[in-house]
Amino acid sequence: DGGITQSPKYLFRKEGQNVTLSCEQNLNHDAMYWYRQDPGQGLRLIYYSQIVNDFQKGDIAEGYSVSREKKESFPLTVTSAQKNPTAFYLCASSITPTDTQYFGPGTRLTVL
Amino acid sequence: RKEVEQDPGPFNVPEGATVAFNCTYSNSASQSFFWYRQDCRKEPKLLMSVYSSGNEDGRFTAQLNRASQYISLLIRDSKLSDSATYLCAVRGSQGNLIFGKGTKLSVKP
Repeated sequence: DGGITQSPKYLFRKEGQNVTLSCEQNLNHDAMYWYRQDPGQGLRLIYYSQIVNDFQKGDIAEGYSVSREKKESFPLTVTSAQKNPTAFYLCASSITPTDTQYFGPGTRLTVL
Repeated sequence: RKEVEQDPGPFNVPEGATVAFNCTYSNSASQSFFWYRQDCRKEPKLLMSVYSSGNEDGRFTAQLNRASQYISLLIRDSKLSDSATYLCAVRGSQGNLIFGKGTKLSVKP
């Protein structure tokens, strides 16, 4: 099956812990994105990558880090520096930065 | 002014009604516009891209008004299954999407 996968679906974290959210796509898309959604809010951009081995900060990058070592993978690490990490995290990808974006199923992160 | 603004709703309509959503954007240079549908606790799914001349897909019609900087989505003959949150999105300068907060639609029998 082609598509975008995110894991885990649900993640619980203790305060002070770093956690890594996985995002994988087998669509041969160049561009990948991480968004965060809070209840009743739109999606906000955390980081994006237009091509492998390159990534840029989005609007709310503080407390997050990413890597793009492989075209198909764009993991997001939520560090202990992120003050309010509880949210729904969505990964998206597109063939190029100007093409339609498709979303993975998301990861719900809860800080205990 | 926020980059992308939507009426949060909720819109509660009976089956068969016609419902319209509007979304305003602040960057007059924006070139690409989209409507996504998001079901509860799911990811957004592309409903329609919005073209300059307007476009239709079955019961759904999307329009762009560049002069007033808004896009609209019209749903005709609404179904129970149309109940969802509808997000408008405008492409940013780096290819990212800038989303509105979404408008919740509830279609009642």
